[in-house]
Amino acid sequence: EAQVTQNPRYLITVTGKKLTVTCSQNMNHEYMSWYRQDPGLGLRQIYYSMNVEVTDKGDVPEGYKVSRKEKRNFPLILESPSPNQTSLYFCASSLYSGGNSYNEQFFGPGTRLTVL
Amino acid sequence: AQKVTQAQTEISVVEKEDVTLDCVYETRDTTYYLFWYKQPPSGELVFLIRRNSFDEQNEISGRYSWNFQKSTSSFNFTITASQVVDSAVYFCALSERNTGKLIFGQGTTLQVKP
Repeated sequence: EAQVTQNPRYLITVTGKKLTVTCSQNMNHEYMSWYRQDPGLGLRQIYYSMNVEVTDKGDVPEGYKVSRKEKRNFPLILESPSPNQTSLYFCASSLYSGGNSYNEQFFGPGTRLTVL
Repeated sequence: AQKVTQAQTEISVVEKEDVTLDCVYETRDTTYYLFWYKQPPSGELVFLIRRNSFDEQNEISGRYSWNFQKSTSSFNFTITASQVVDSAVYFCALSERNTGKLIFGQGTTLQVKP
């Protein structure tokens, strides 16, 4: 089944304790991205990657790191989580045809993170 | 600046009613892509449709239909004969040139009552 998987689905942690949210897709998509969803602020992009070893900042990258060493994986790393990073996180992937042709992004199930 | 506006925050209908969700977008790009996503109570984001700026044909998929009008910068979504399972938050989105970032509207919460 074609899908984007994220782990963990739920996480409660404490301020300053490093964590990684994994994201994996099995559709051979070039483009991958992370979004966070917050009440009143909507969905905002954190980081994106056009292909392996190519990553770039989105709208709210502060406090996050990513890597793209393999095409299928795009982990989100919080080196020192803070309470303002409490949010619902989504990973997404899509085919990238080049230029400015953007296909639909398929989203993972979401990771609900609480930082105390 | 690019922007997506969904002016309807919440809509409540009774089952079998038709309902239209409005979406207005702003962009200076001549080529762009528009999307609709559904977020049911379980929380996942489900892709519904993608439309490019060159294709103004209306699209119908079962009970769902979309009306794209470049002249008014609108991409409205209609559900015919709504069902309780249609209850969800619906997001309209625009892809940003050069980055592929999805710019989402604030979403419309649709409640379909039995």
